[in-house]
Amino acid sequence: DIQMTQSPSSVSASVGDRVTITCRASQTISSWLAWYQQKPGKAPKLLISAASTLQSGVPSRFDGSGSGTDYTLTITSLQPEDFATYYCQQGDRYPLTFGGGTKVEIK
Amino acid sequence: EVQLVESGGGLVQPGGSLRLSCAASGFTFSTFWMSWVRQAPGKGLEWVANIKQHGSEKYYVDSVRGRFTISRDNTKNSLFLQMNSLRAEDTAVYYCARAYSSSSDDAFDIWGQGTMVTVSS
Repeated sequence: DIQMTQSPSSVSASVGDRVTITCRASQTISSWLAWYQQKPGKAPKLLISAASTLQSGVPSRFDGSGSGTDYTLTITSLQPEDFATYYCQQGDRYPLTFGGGTKVEIK
Repeated sequence: EVQLVESGGGLVQPGGSLRLSCAASGFTFSTFWMSWVRQAPGKGLEWVANIKQHGSEKYYVDSVRGRFTISRDNTKNSLFLQMNSLRAEDTAVYYCARAYSSSSDDAFDIWGQGTMVTVSS
């Protein structure tokens, strides 16, 4: 199985800050990488697919990049509604696997 | 409105069975891969199973293979998860989710609200 390692597990940041979350796969996943945002008590929301494709309606302050085994989600200017937990997920091969999550908290 | 609504969760004893359902609306259900994803209380997301548009391919996480069965009824726009031999570690919120395009099975853009399954004596 492909293991997905996210870091950091949590980050404290202020509104307007730039936040970067990384995700490392245990083997190459050929950019089959998705990012989700989840708020407490809610279902996940797909932000980015195929490593860098922003989903419709997602603000442009969210940016995905990476290739091979290493991927990054950047929030260029953190907004109040962005405080949430973020997950990466590989879709290259079964079983599909998620990272452990990164909680973005208010500083 | 594109929507997924799960039902069928509840409290069940270890070794018992439960069948989850997911009703889809607002899109052409038969053209998308569908998935079940679960989340144990206070934990992260875990993919459980995927099923292809007409059910010809099914995939499972190892921990449920042989105990859970994913299925669909395209005539009723419905997805199912039959869960047998339930264990305490199956306790979670179970989400139904839709692949983000009709040609993909790798990520999911529409999610239900989730249904809670509790396995306890």
